[in-house]
Amino acid sequence: KNQVEQSPQSLIILEGKNCTLQCNYTVSPFSNLRWYKQDTGRGPVSLTIMTFSENTKSNGRYTATLDADTKQSSLHITASQLSDSASYICVVSARTGGFKTIFGAGTRLFVKA
Amino acid sequence: DSGVTQTPKHLITATGQRVTLRCSPRSGDLSVYWYQQSLDQGLQFLIQYYNGEERAKGNILERFSAQQFPDLHSELNLSSLELGDSALYFCASSGTGELADTQYFGPGTRLTVL
Repeated sequence: KNQVEQSPQSLIILEGKNCTLQCNYTVSPFSNLRWYKQDTGRGPVSLTIMTFSENTKSNGRYTATLDADTKQSSLHITASQLSDSASYICVVSARTGGFKTIFGAGTRLFVKA
Repeated sequence: DSGVTQTPKHLITATGQRVTLRCSPRSGDLSVYWYQQSLDQGLQFLIQYYNGEERAKGNILERFSAQQFPDLHSELNLSSLELGDSALYFCASSGTGELADTQYFGPGTRLTVL
């Protein structure tokens, strides 16, 4: 069964600190993995996308890693800012004829001053 | 700005009523997706259309229906509304090619059923 599991469910950190969010998936055949940021009440926005051959992708203070062997990904946020407070959603796509996209439940990050 | 537009932004209605949510995809995108997000819940996939044809169906209730028109805009119709239908409804669009599943989300329509 295709699944995407994220941990932790929620996280509170102090402004300026780093944090890492985890994503484990059992999606096959794997096509790509994407991290989205969703501010409260807004639509998700794509942060990074990685295909099978990529194991690191950065977007400013956001760095995503992918281990296709263990089917794990992480999103590392450096020097967090108050504006990083949001939900972070891991999305994995499988190529099955067309594309099948599976959304994780998200990690809710709170950055406090 | 993702390029995906949704109207209206907010909608307040009563139980038993029927509403229509509208979505215009990014220019050139053929696929439109509809999602429901209840308070503090994850995104629930409802349905996908590709170039006017239904492509995939998720957890969409029978009271809900959607369609995609020749100009590629899409409408989500919700009928016999219940209190539990109160949620954010997102539309997303995607194009073609290797990253065809790159979904660009609209700002959402917040539906409140009283």
